[in-house]
Amino acid sequence: KAGVTQTPRYLIKTRGQQVTLSCSPISGHRSVSWYQQTPGQGLQFLFEYFSETQRNKGNFPGRFSGRQFSNSRSEMNVSTLELGDSALYLCASSLELAGGIETQYFGPGTRLLVL
Amino acid sequence: AQKVTQAQTEISVVEKEDVTLDCVYETRDTTYYLFWYKQPPSGELVFLIRRNSFDEQNEISGRYSWNFQKSTSSFNFTITASQVVDSAVYFCALSEVDLNMDTGRRALTFGSGTRLQVQP
Repeated sequence: KAGVTQTPRYLIKTRGQQVTLSCSPISGHRSVSWYQQTPGQGLQFLFEYFSETQRNKGNFPGRFSGRQFSNSRSEMNVSTLELGDSALYLCASSLELAGGIETQYFGPGTRLLVL
Repeated sequence: AQKVTQAQTEISVVEKEDVTLDCVYETRDTTYYLFWYKQPPSGELVFLIRRNSFDEQNEISGRYSWNFQKSTSSFNFTITASQVVDSAVYFCALSEVDLNMDTGRRALTFGSGTRLQVQP
């Protein structure tokens, strides 16, 4: 079974621009979560989507948004990019069959550099 | 609020040495899950193990073993006979289940990670 895929793998943007990152979960997985990883703040939870609905949200400004499509693929968008948004953005998927805690499997990440 | 502490920022060992990575967690919930992930230089987080709060049995998988002790809120990870391929950053993570919340609070709270360098 193919793992979580993320595109693009690398991205360079300038301040003020916006960016859209894409994530395709493992086949059959219905939950997709996004995390930001920076040297200073470590791994931080952005948001989680399940059945096209945002189910949980971390403590990030409204410039960070996401969505999930009917095939469980997810996108996250960052508007008005700031230098501090430079990070590795990781997507994770999980089964979430019974509403409990399922293991999250991560993709390779998208490295975003904001100049 | 939940918290995960990995006090060891970096550990360096010589191949074939045993090494233990420490993880201490804080949570007010009685139902929670603990995880270990490995992050090689490529960046992808690789799942290693998951343990729920009601299962304190230690686990061994090949050269890897985990010691879960609720009394000390610790979930330590030992690599026996380390190899160069074990060099990576290792993260301990906690996920809580809050049955009173619609969301169930499934987000992972990560520790700051321990960078393990295994020298040949």
